[in-house]
Amino acid sequence: DTAVSQTPKYLVTQMGNDKSIKCEQNLGHDTMYWYKQDSKKFLKIMFSYNNKELIINETVPNRFSPKSPDKAHLNLHINSLELGDSAVYFCASSQVLGQPTDTQYFGPGTRLTVL
Amino acid sequence: GEDVEQSLFLSVREGDSSVINCTYTDSSSTYLYWYKQEPGAGLQLLTYIFSNMDMKQDQRLTVLLNKKDKHLSLRIADTQTGDSAIYFCALRETDSSYKLIFGSGTRLLVRP
Repeated sequence: DTAVSQTPKYLVTQMGNDKSIKCEQNLGHDTMYWYKQDSKKFLKIMFSYNNKELIINETVPNRFSPKSPDKAHLNLHINSLELGDSAVYFCASSQVLGQPTDTQYFGPGTRLTVL
Repeated sequence: GEDVEQSLFLSVREGDSSVINCTYTDSSSTYLYWYKQEPGAGLQLLTYIFSNMDMKQDQRLTVLLNKKDKHLSLRIADTQTGDSAIYFCALRETDSSYKLIFGSGTRLLVRP
């Protein structure tokens, strides 16, 4: 069974469109994250939710809005897509925030291409 | 904020040892991690080390931490072609957010 899953795996869309990426974890974890990996493989955190509460919100345009309907899901909605949004987006989860063995488990990624 | 740097590329012959290096700026980081990313896949946690340790060994993997020099390394013994991937070091920030800061990744190529 997949621990952290994301849909879709690939997303190709036009500039200006609005799109969503979904993430689900079946590990029973309390904390979920969204990361962006650019074309040079640089990985940077965007958001983190703990028990459906936003705890990390990096300097990300407000066109990006995370939504956590429950602890097992953290979706990412992007409005007015721009060329620079093209990247691979990774979802991750961890059991308990800040504990010594708070290991983050990553999903397979969603490759977003904005044309 | 925290800055984490890695060399971009490493090429080794199958059977040799690989050493991937990472340097960082924030000496207060408490946990340091190594992740592996295979082509087209997500990140897989390989190992981690606490800042109060100097070394950790896990089968073919050896992690060395030099806190004075702010230097972390990952040694892979008897490197195999299946070890070819991008390796990321990551540090956990010690503020309340506990977010991970990743290095730029080192692409390891294992030649037969």
